[in-house]
Amino acid sequence: DAKTTQPNSMESNEEEPVHLPCNHSTISGTDYIHWYRQLPSQGPEYVIHGLTSNVNNRMASLAIAEDRKSSTLILHRATLRDAAVYYCTLGGSSNTGKLIFGQGTTLQVKP
Amino acid sequence: DAGITQSPRYKITETGRQVTLMCHQTWSHSYMFWYRQDLGHGLRLIYYSAAADITDKGEVPDGYVVSRSKTENFPLTLESATRSQTSVYFCASRSGTSSYEQYFGPGTRLTVT
Repeated sequence: DAKTTQPNSMESNEEEPVHLPCNHSTISGTDYIHWYRQLPSQGPEYVIHGLTSNVNNRMASLAIAEDRKSSTLILHRATLRDAAVYYCTLGGSSNTGKLIFGQGTTLQVKP
Repeated sequence: DAGITQSPRYKITETGRQVTLMCHQTWSHSYMFWYRQDLGHGLRLIYYSAAADITDKGEVPDGYVVSRSKTENFPLTLESATRSQTSVYFCASRSGTSSYEQYFGPGTRLTVT
């Protein structure tokens, strides 16, 4: 299974954009890139996913490198409620939807 | 309750005891998953199921048993609990037709003494 690498932690100021990077150099051609986040004492929640093209939804944007070996989750205006652990995961190649989670990035948002 | 629920939310058990963690989802999702999350770490997949009566091992299956006789339920059993199985356990489900978004339960915090 392909693995992902993320920085352990990042800081942001409230209402500023945040770019969370993820490296996945061994990604296979059929792996989707997924992002989940986990608020304190809660289960992870889905944020966004993509395959090749950049994606936008109400929560965030996902920018995928042309060679697909890296991606960036973009929070356009961080709020205090966005403080969480963000996981970049790969999955879908076997159609089970099985996800392999890395260590994640702990995002701190300062007022 | 609609959604995905786990019970119990907290459990303390002794080494060597059998314990079963329950997971129930109301969406009739085909796929269900069990993860464990140790303090300060990410999630690791224990077992998953593609449908009733179909299960498969994940990254860390040793010491665990699963069954799925009904689509909505996916219990996880620790046959003889060990201290190394102290963890937070998350259940998740996914529709067989959606593009892989998983919905997670609130978790069960298990302590093995």
